[in-house]
Amino acid sequence: AQSVTQPDIHITVSEGASLELRCNYSYGATPYLFWYVQSPGQGLQLLLKYFSGDTLVQGIKGFEAEFKRSQSSFNLRKPSVHWSDAAEYFCAVKPQTGANNLFFGTGTRLTVIP
Amino acid sequence: NAGVTQTPKFQVLKTGQSMTLQCAQDMNHEYMSWYRQDPGMGLRLIHYSVGAGITDQGEVPNGYNVSRSTTEDFPLRLLSAAPSQTSVYFCASINRESYEQYFGPGTRLTVT
Repeated sequence: AQSVTQPDIHITVSEGASLELRCNYSYGATPYLFWYVQSPGQGLQLLLKYFSGDTLVQGIKGFEAEFKRSQSSFNLRKPSVHWSDAAEYFCAVKPQTGANNLFFGTGTRLTVIP
Repeated sequence: NAGVTQTPKFQVLKTGQSMTLQCAQDMNHEYMSWYRQDPGMGLRLIHYSVGAGITDQGEVPNGYNVSRSTTEDFPLRLLSAAPSQTSVYFCASINRESYEQYFGPGTRLTVT
C-alpha cells in the first residue's frame, strides 16, 4: 500500500546540536517529495522539495534534505538547531501521476532545549 | 497579497448544528484543497477542487460538502456536526507548476 512514514513522533535536541528527521515512502514510482514545518497555532510552511536531479536539496531556514532512492527515504537535516526551530515537521509526497494532492506523514514534533 | 485566508479561526458547535468554513485565495490558483489535522494522524484530505465548478472527494469526505463557484473561494460545509468532526481544518491552494501548497492559518473546530 502507498504510504508516507515518519517513524519518530517526538524528538528532543539541545540548541546547537545537529538534527535529522526521518521520512520513508512506499510508492511504485518515486513521488515528488516535500517537507513542511508547522509552528504552534500556525499553518504549514514549505521548507523544501525534491522532484528530480541533485539528491541533496537545500531549503529555507538552513534546512536540507537528502533523497536516497535505495532506501526510499527523504530525511531532513540541520547542522545546528536554534530554539526557534521547535515545531512540528511533516513529510509529504505527491505521486507523479494523478491529482495534485499531497499525502502527509503523521509528523514529528521537535523540542529544542537550551 | 494575503495568500490563503480562513474564517473563523475558532468555532464551537453543538452536535447537529451546521456551519460553513470559509476559505479564499488571491493567487489565482485553480487547485484548492481542504484538510483536517488530528493528533498523531497528520493532515488528511477531505475534498479538493481543480477549478471553478469542479470538486472531488479526498480520503475523508463523509460529513462534509464543498462547492466552487469562483476561483477565489472554496467553502467547506458541515451539514450536521458530529463530535468526530472536532479537528483543525486547513485550506490550501496549489501552484500547478511547482506543486507547492499554500496553507491558510486554520480553523479550530470543537463539536460538543
